[in-house]
Amino acid sequence: EVQLVESGGGLVQPGGSLRLSCAASGFTVSSNYMSWVRQAPGKGLEWVSVIYSGGSTYYADSVKGRFTISRDNSKNTLYLQMNSLRAEDTAVYYCAREDGDYANWFDPWGQGTLVTVSS
Amino acid sequence: SYVLTQPPSVSVAPGKTARITCGGNNIGSKSVHWYQQKPGQAPVLVIYYDSDRPSGIPERFSGSNSGNTATLTISRVEAGDEADYYCQVWDSSSDHPRVFGGGTKLTVL
Repeated sequence: EVQLVESGGGLVQPGGSLRLSCAASGFTVSSNYMSWVRQAPGKGLEWVSVIYSGGSTYYADSVKGRFTISRDNSKNTLYLQMNSLRAEDTAVYYCAREDGDYANWFDPWGQGTLVTVSS
Repeated sequence: SYVLTQPPSVSVAPGKTARITCGGNNIGSKSVHWYQQKPGQAPVLVIYYDSDRPSGIPERFSGSNSGNTATLTISRVEAGDEADYYCQVWDSSSDHPRVFGGGTKLTVL
């Protein structure tokens, strides 16, 4: 069964750091495009970052320079290192596999992990 | 950047047909994907490439896309269909091609 399980969320003060993990099973992370998508409380979905199978990484303007996406092939796990956190980064963070040949969609999604940035 | 516009809410009686729209400039030239998100749960893909259904998604869910509007249609609506629905496109002309609509809350009366 294809599955994604996130962990690492929690309460952090503004300016702090947090690392999210996303453990995959049923498929190989390094062979796929993998994204992080977040959802602020009561709000819609916002794409955050992607790592391509070749290793290229891209970020939303709102997190560029503060967040870093990476993966550990030996652990089949995706990560999101979040630094210089701000109140507006408060959200549930989902990892998701991308699929599609020319117009990607997200499937499956993990269950999400809540990040709260507050003093 | 490309903007997708969804109505904040749609209401429908059980057994009836719900139509949720997703507007965008010439969206008919793009591929549209749809997600269902129930309270406290992660999004689930229900339609990809405008009208294809992933395995396990009921045939009651269908999609269309033309002109400036894409539509998710849910036939014979059930109470369990009550959820937020999001459209998403791949905007190949953008540095950030992954674009979501603002979401529509479907209420089953």
